[in-house]
Amino acid sequence: AQSVTQPDIHITVSEGASLELRCNYSYGATPYLFWYVQSPGQGLQLLLKYFSGDTLVQGIKGFEAEFKRSQSSFNLRKPSVHWSDAAEYFCAVGASTDSWGKLQFGAGTQVVVTP
Amino acid sequence: ETGVTQTPRHLVMGMTNKKSLKCEQHLGHNAMYWYKQSAKKPLELMFVYNFKEQTENNSVPSRFSPECPNSSHLFLHLHTLQPEDSALYLCASSQGRDSFPYEQYFGPGTRLTVT
Repeated sequence: AQSVTQPDIHITVSEGASLELRCNYSYGATPYLFWYVQSPGQGLQLLLKYFSGDTLVQGIKGFEAEFKRSQSSFNLRKPSVHWSDAAEYFCAVGASTDSWGKLQFGAGTQVVVTP
Repeated sequence: ETGVTQTPRHLVMGMTNKKSLKCEQHLGHNAMYWYKQSAKKPLELMFVYNFKEQTENNSVPSRFSPECPNSSHLFLHLHTLQPEDSALYLCASSQGRDSFPYEQYFGPGTRLTVT
């Protein structure tokens, strides 16, 4: 069965500093990988996705993620964090063999941005 | 209206009440999902509908009853809930079965409190 692990429950970063959020997955076949962001009281917004091809993917709001098959990782990065990036971030994996489009979500990483 | 909408945004109900949550997607998608989001826990997939066919019921108690009359609308009927059912209920949609990519688009959620 597929699984997703986000090792960091909580990260504090200064505004203007770089941010990296870790995501590790466990899945035997080709995974489809996603990062979502959730602001307080809101639903989840898709930041970026990886299906195939270039392992460095660009997303919205200046985020990027790199797929590393050898490490079973899909880490999210942003070079310079803005106060508006404070939110909870979720990594999700989908199975290429699942035609119903179900996703497995990680537990989330809460990001706090300090002045 | 655009994207995925959910009503009501907030709901307080007693344990003996009957209420319904509504979700509507304006994206032309064919698959819809109900998730439960509780504090400090990963998103729990409750139900999946694909072309109005229910595919998933992840051991969800019978006090939750889904209904999908068409590919644009999804309901979650609630009755005799327990306090532990208090959570944020999220609806999502995607293009549907065998239509990759199938990233999910989320509504803002309904914050349910059971008293």
